[in-house]
Amino acid sequence: GAGVSQSPRYKVTKRGQDVALRCDPISGHVSLYWYRQALGQGPEFLTYFNYEAQQDKSGLPNDRFSAERPEGSISTLTIQRTEQRDSAMYRCASSPGLLEQYFGPGTRLTVT
Amino acid sequence: AQKITQTQPGMFVQEKEAVTLDCTYDTSDPSYGLFWYKQPSSGEMIFLIYQGSYDQQNATEGRYSLNFQKARKSANLVISASQLGDSAMYFCAMREGQAGTALIFGKGTTLSVSS
Repeated sequence: GAGVSQSPRYKVTKRGQDVALRCDPISGHVSLYWYRQALGQGPEFLTYFNYEAQQDKSGLPNDRFSAERPEGSISTLTIQRTEQRDSAMYRCASSPGLLEQYFGPGTRLTVT
Repeated sequence: AQKITQTQPGMFVQEKEAVTLDCTYDTSDPSYGLFWYKQPSSGEMIFLIYQGSYDQQNATEGRYSLNFQKARKSANLVISASQLGDSAMYFCAMREGQAGTALIFGKGTTLSVSS
């Protein structure tokens, strides 16, 4: 079956612009997670959802970052007024709610 | 304090040999899960193996096994009969508490397999 998909795969934006990153989880997966991964580091948690409810957003760095999953399936991570320090790989993962998380290919964000 | 510690930035092994990648963890929660993921140069994150804190036996998945030593808080990954395709970054991760919470990742170990 289809895995987790993310779009766009690459995004270059100018400082100060808003960006929206999309995640389409594996069909039927209850939980959806967003992580950010710097080069050469492990992913760092941003936020997660069970169905449409945002359960934990403690990893969001500041109020420029927000996420939603309005119908309990596709999720969007939005970064407003982007800054160069936001440049990273943004990864989405989904889980049937029990154990392992399945990761998408990521969106490489570059803020110039 | 680091929740997940991977002390080996890089490891080198020859084909067909076994290799152990170290991981120690820190948690006071009695219920937790430990995971290993592989990240090849293509960038994808591939789930390899899982060990629950209450599991009595070490987890195994094909050539991968997890050497779980609870008292020492270690969860080392053992890859038997290494293959060239095993060359990648390997991440150890922990979930604290019940299923459905976020994973905490270590900094990773780069494994290089030579012929």
